[in-house]
Amino acid sequence: DAKTTQPPSMDCAEGRAANLPCNHSTISGNEYVYWYRQIHSQGPQYIIHGLKNNETNEMASLIITEDRKSSTLILPHATLRDTAVYYCIVRALLNQGGKLIFGQGTELSVKP
Amino acid sequence: GAVVSQHPSWVICKSGTSVKIECRSLDFQATTMFWYRQFPKQSLMLMATSNEGSKATYEQGVEKDKFLINHASLTLSTLTVTSAHPEDSSFYICSAAAGATPGHNYGYTFGSGTRLTVV
Repeated sequence: DAKTTQPPSMDCAEGRAANLPCNHSTISGNEYVYWYRQIHSQGPQYIIHGLKNNETNEMASLIITEDRKSSTLILPHATLRDTAVYYCIVRALLNQGGKLIFGQGTELSVKP
Repeated sequence: GAVVSQHPSWVICKSGTSVKIECRSLDFQATTMFWYRQFPKQSLMLMATSNEGSKATYEQGVEKDKFLINHASLTLSTLTVTSAHPEDSSFYICSAAAGATPGHNYGYTFGSGTRLTVV
């Protein structure tokens, strides 16, 4: 079973920041937090990942709480092309048996 | 970098026939690949883990004799749906782990998926 809980859907105005929350209260010390998104009828796209520190790349920022029980993905300036299902996943490294198990994700709708 | 090519992107087959789906890592070696299926309006469901040179590990409830997985090289894994039936119609997606290759994200890169329709 997926180890994360996300709201099923969210709306965001174009140009505004989209903040997508994720609860992972049972995360283990060796598990990373990964975010992927899936645009309709395509394969999932990697966004960002982190262990305990906040991370930022060209696509998004990842804020992980100090106790690591929750995180927030931030899309700083959402565009219509960011409309997708966003998945928050926790997993160990591959050499520690890590597999990507998808939950239901959050369907983000960016509106003009 | 870290590109995964999946082929075909869509296929229609007759009930009772077999269909093979290919998944290739183009610019990295993937010792481990994963196969998922996705029904409309649902999330991805992991079917099996494929390791190069060894037998695949199937998730509970997935019929290994129906969904044959072969991972004969570090860049190619195949999924064959045998004796396909309409209920096998789904979106099949592969994923490859880039591992510790410099410049990669230690994450999984996904193919673009294959839409299978069994008639």
